[in-house]
Amino acid sequence: QSALTQPRSVSGSPGQSVTISCTGTSSDVGGYNYVSWYQQHPGKAPKLMIYDVSKRPSGVPDRFSGSKSGNTASLTISGLQAEDEADYYCCSYAGSYTSLYVFGTGTKVTVL
Amino acid sequence: EVQLVQSGAEVKKPGESLKISCKGSGYSFTSYWIGWVRQMPGKGLEWMGIIYPGDSDTRYSPSFQGQVTISADKSISTAYLQWSSLKASDTAMYYCARRGIGLADFDYWGQGTLVTVSS
Repeated sequence: QSALTQPRSVSGSPGQSVTISCTGTSSDVGGYNYVSWYQQHPGKAPKLMIYDVSKRPSGVPDRFSGSKSGNTASLTISGLQAEDEADYYCCSYAGSYTSLYVFGTGTKVTVL
Repeated sequence: EVQLVQSGAEVKKPGESLKISCKGSGYSFTSYWIGWVRQMPGKGLEWMGIIYPGDSDTRYSPSFQGQVTISADKSISTAYLQWSSLKASDTAMYYCARRGIGLADFDYWGQGTLVTVSS
């Protein structure tokens, strides 16, 4: 199972919106509505930001939203803030007869 | 409050064995899957495997099958990740994470255990 493909980096000014893509296959992203997104600040553990493609856990700002179309999932950060600067990873369920889960390659979000 | 507390950093030599731990609290430990994730220095997250402490049902990523062993002791609410013979390439941060009610939501994470393997 290959890692899901994410852009290496995206950037935006405070207040702008950025979107991170996560491209897989019909065996993972395209086959299930079980995509999650994680934010990781340097030296810290990952934090769940979105699950089941578009659901937000309690406490996550509504500036973060998720969607999916075909084999590509997306995370959009609206109203970008300085504290959003971090690495972001997608993760997809890949079925019980394969790797079970696969992470994305990771995207560095820079707030200009 | 849900917490996953991992054991401390380890420095080992190639060929040595190691077992690191992840203790859960604040929830029913036997009712949620616990996964393990590797992060090599400066690299991304890699899913290693997952265990259901209730019955010790364990699944591995093909990339890690045979390389590590995942186990759990439900009597002390602790999951483990172990190696029988470490390699320098095992140097990484290892995280445990609780899988929530969904199929791909790892909602609580441990603080990570840094494993350094060097001669």
